[in-house]
Amino acid sequence: DAKTTQPNSMESNEEEPVHLPCNHSTISGTDYIHWYRQLPSQGPEYVIHGLTSNVNNRMASLAIAEDRKSSTLILHRATLRDAAVYYCILRNSGYALNFGKGTSLLVTP
Amino acid sequence: EPEVTQTPSHQVTQMGQEVILRCVPISNHLYFYWYRQILGQKVEFLVSFYNNEISEKSEIFDDQFSVERPDGSNFTLKIRSTKLEDSAMYFCASNTPRGSGANVLTFGAGSRLTVL
Repeated sequence: DAKTTQPNSMESNEEEPVHLPCNHSTISGTDYIHWYRQLPSQGPEYVIHGLTSNVNNRMASLAIAEDRKSSTLILHRATLRDAAVYYCILRNSGYALNFGKGTSLLVTP
Repeated sequence: EPEVTQTPSHQVTQMGQEVILRCVPISNHLYFYWYRQILGQKVEFLVSFYNNEISEKSEIFDDQFSVERPDGSNFTLKIRSTKLEDSAMYFCASNTPRGSGANVLTFGAGSRLTVL
């Protein structure tokens, strides 16, 4: 899987939008962009994924740059429950997800 | 919403003992995985399993590890002779791949293994 780069940590105020960036300059045409998160003391949890177009679901939105070399996970209104480590992962085939260090999101009241 | 369930939630064992961690994947899923996370470190892939055989494994998954689907519902990870460095959270996951990078995994809550 191609490499992604994320900030180690970010901080947000509760009820404000959060934009979590991910750089993936070596992405290939068939790589999907996946986001997972891991709440404290829990297993990873799928958030969203996309290929070329922006995606929305009940948890978040995914904005993908036109050249696909970067993407942004958008949490529209952060809650305390959104405090987690967020992982940006590229996949084009195979079975295993390969996790990096992710971005640790701190949400303050 | 369907869940992946894991037991036990926490197991304490003595070094050198055998440990079996159990997982019940989502019922219509066909691919099964084990991951581990040592405290403070990243989530690491161990092994994937499909059609009663290992499809992929990492270099961490050495001869002391084995996996099995003993019946139609359980998926187990056995560690034959535990070492102190096996202390970690072990996560089971499952999915039904669509043959592309769109595959999404569902993870369990994990089993914490403490080796003394």
